[in-house]
Amino acid sequence: GAVVSQHPSRVICKSGTSVKIECRSLDFQATTMFWYRQFPKKSLMLMATSNEGSKATYEQGVEKDKFLINHASLTLSTLTVTSAHPEDSSFYICSASDLRQSGNTIYFGEGSWLTVV
Amino acid sequence: AQKVTQAQTEISVVEKEDVTLDCVYETRDTTYYLFWYKQPPSGELVFLIRRNSFDEQNEISGRYSWNFQKSTSSFNFTITASQVVDSAVYFCALSEEVGYSGAGSYQLTFGKGTKLSVIP
Repeated sequence: GAVVSQHPSRVICKSGTSVKIECRSLDFQATTMFWYRQFPKKSLMLMATSNEGSKATYEQGVEKDKFLINHASLTLSTLTVTSAHPEDSSFYICSASDLRQSGNTIYFGEGSWLTVV
Repeated sequence: AQKVTQAQTEISVVEKEDVTLDCVYETRDTTYYLFWYKQPPSGELVFLIRRNSFDEQNEISGRYSWNFQKSTSSFNFTITASQVVDSAVYFCALSEEVGYSGAGSYQLTFGKGTKLSVIP
């Protein structure tokens, strides 16, 4: 079963409103989670690194005041798209690493389709 | 900086044909991991394989096989006897450890993806 869960899977919101996307690690603690964005027919681009208990690290070109990330617990990171506009419509996906496992085990959430109308 | 190049944007094959998806990467790390993911139209990423930089053995899993050539920085993916259900976008990715060695987490750099269409 899924070890990283995202919610909602699909959301439609009005332009100017804010929408929150949750990313949960289900049976492991994740001190770090990653948020990616995918435009239609494009690759996944890293937006930010979410750090539990501290500020997120944003990639160049990503507006931190627009894409608010809160990693308040070891199993939950949230991405809030503030004052959403149609150009924010995209597929957002999170990932987390289970550090208990050897090597490099990365789990992805199911992704969230955001449509801003 | 890490970089992953998937030069093939779209490929179409007829069912039962073999197809190879190319992936070339760049990294300065001596330890790294390479991945292939499948993304069907529904959007979720389906994990296919992970390979660490010290393991150059080729791998076969059913109709899937992977050829890791460190000398050419390539990690190609071959589907044998393709099926319509194989139609999807396939991403090659390279991981970089964030944080101090052995205790960090891993972020991925993705290629642009190759859209595979298998025609019945």
